[in-house]
Amino acid sequence: DTAVSQTPKYLVTQMGNDKSIKCEQNLGHDTMYWYKQDSKKFLKIMFSYNNKELIINETVPNRFSPKSPDKAHLNLHINSLELGDSAVYFCASSYISAGELFFGEGSRLTVL
Amino acid sequence: ILNVEQSPQSLHVQEGDSTNFTCSFPSSNFYALHWYRWETAKSPEALFVMTLNGDEKKKGRISATLNTKEGYSYLYIKGSQPEDSATYLCASRTGTASKLTFGTGTRLQVTL
Repeated sequence: DTAVSQTPKYLVTQMGNDKSIKCEQNLGHDTMYWYKQDSKKFLKIMFSYNNKELIINETVPNRFSPKSPDKAHLNLHINSLELGDSAVYFCASSYISAGELFFGEGSRLTVL
Repeated sequence: ILNVEQSPQSLHVQEGDSTNFTCSFPSSNFYALHWYRWETAKSPEALFVMTLNGDEKKKGRISATLNTKEGYSYLYIKGSQPEDSATYLCASRTGTASKLTFGTGTRLQVTL
């Protein structure tokens, strides 16, 4: 019974396409996050939502739009994909905005 | 220190050796320091969340200390085992609702 699940795990697409990655957590947590693992293996915060409200929005291109329909879901939609968007995207959740993070298994996006 | 820095970048020890790594973080407006263990092809898992200066936490053979005044934390592994092989990440949070900033990790390999 996966706590934080992301779909798809792998996504290969062409430049210019629009794609979404979905994330769901069944831990009853209030806060959810999207992190990007860059080419140097850094985990960088992109967005954070607390009870469906955006609380952290790092300097991320407008092509990235998070959507939280309820506090158990945080989806990431990416428009007009570029080569540089290729990365592993991790979803995470925490009980409170300052608590330990529970990560999903990551979604590897490859843009050709 | 403006960013979260970890050293060494990688470490190769033999089974039974004890080892330690360092995490340096900004000491101003400190709120919490997290340690995560990240095995290859899995997602990061929380080891410790530490908030108080002088705090020391232990989980089995792994322990961590925290110095918030000078901005560093040590992670110790006693009697390393091959299953301890992983990347160990630390992350710092300043303020209750601020982002968690990760270091690049220390990659530990334990051989027989």
